Amino acid sequence: DSGVTQTPKHLITATGQRVTLRCSPRSGDLSVYWYQQSLDQGLQFLIQYYNGEERAKGNILERFSAQQFPDLHSELNLSSLELGDSALYFCASSVHRDRVGSPLHFGNGTRLTVT
Amino acid sequence: AQTVTQSQPEMSVQEAETVTLSCTYDTSESDYYLFWYKQPPSRQMILVIRQEAYKQQNATENRFSVNFQKAAKSFSLKISDSQLGDAAMYFCAYSSQGGSEKLVFGKGTKLTVNP
Repeated sequence: DSGVTQTPKHLITATGQRVTLRCSPRSGDLSVYWYQQSLDQGLQFLIQYYNGEERAKGNILERFSAQQFPDLHSELNLSSLELGDSALYFCASSVHRDRVGSPLHFGNGTRLTVT
Repeated sequence: AQTVTQSQPEMSVQEAETVTLSCTYDTSESDYYLFWYKQPPSRQMILVIRQEAYKQQNATENRFSVNFQKAAKSFSLKISDSQLGDAAMYFCAYSSQGGSEKLVFGKGTKLTVNP
């Protein structure tokens, strides 16, 4: 068990809808990362938050947004969903001290299916 | 931008034998971190091993070891005494030193372990 909790495990929704994915990081970890895993694109970094503030941004669509709350949990919001958004969405967390290269610890992912 | 390449989409090994998974990366940075993650059918991402680029000594974790060739930008994973439980997707990943610790992943290698 990595200590990173993601809910829900599975989500099935229709095109055009909006969903929210939730992540609770490991105790003590300040950074949260969101990744999208699909068959054709592999593991793509979406966004990182550190102690409530956006730290880095990757290939995140404008229809997607995220935030990290004061209790350090994070939510990824996906709107105007398209069939191509179907994927496994991972949350990861790390202690994140500069120049340390602390590893990322991943949750079990949320499987999103858009029909 | 950094890129990670895993040239072997699939590999197989006999139980108790040794297998090596290849990974190359491209970067202009002199200091960074490299990782191997394992993703079994349960889909959880599990850290296997971590290497700091400024250390010449290759990292080892029990049956797992790496061959880190900094000049060649190569980072291969050797699994000794392969076990059925080693069957999984293996991802090579790169992280810059300092700043965001986001990981850049390769496309993965699917490892099959034959009894």
